[in-house]
Amino acid sequence: GQQLNQSPQSMFIQEGEDVSMNCTSSSIFNTWLWYKQDPGEGPVLLIALYKAGELTSNGRLTAQFGITRKDSFLNISASIPSDVGIYFCAGVVWGNTGKLIFGQGTTLQVKP
Amino acid sequence: DADVTQTPRNRITKTGKRIMLECSQTKGHDRMYWYRQDPGLGLRLIYYSFDVKDINKGEISDGYSVSRQAQAKFSLSLESAIPNQTALYFCATSVDRLDTQYFGPGTRLTVL
Repeated sequence: GQQLNQSPQSMFIQEGEDVSMNCTSSSIFNTWLWYKQDPGEGPVLLIALYKAGELTSNGRLTAQFGITRKDSFLNISASIPSDVGIYFCAGVVWGNTGKLIFGQGTTLQVKP
Repeated sequence: DADVTQTPRNRITKTGKRIMLECSQTKGHDRMYWYRQDPGLGLRLIYYSFDVKDINKGEISDGYSVSRQAQAKFSLSLESAIPNQTALYFCATSVDRLDTQYFGPGTRLTVL
């Protein structure tokens, strides 16, 4: 079945550093989504990408939909302590009942 | 007010008990989903519904049932709870075509 490989699994960085994480798959997706989950809360949508090659920003966050439609990355610039959490990528195949396929998540810790 | 709400937020129950988790949304979305989250396993789809008359099993539906009482309400039931159903449960909604999903805050269920 379809799987997403998200890396890295975890990151421990200094405040102010930039962060990069990515998701890859052997399957093609029509939509890529990036979520952040805080402890004890539900995933919150950060960025949605609907077109191959699309580059979208949301504040300090930038995400890109890979041109092959099999990958996506998320960058966070100038990290701050509140960036701590688990980041998930998710892919959707249109027509495939709209189900999301989730990556395993990247746990981010930021040292002040 | 939150667009997607879940009740209860926390529940502790005993093996064999029947449990119902409820989800309500004010987003006006037709599609609703139930997921469970376990450490290291990410989010897995239990059931999903594209409208009031349409219910579909996800990848881990055994031991669960659902009811779509209205466009805005989607309930998940554990007919006879067992300890390995201890997990975080999330409800989500999405717009038809774009499939971007929005999550509720989650219910932490513990089965003793």
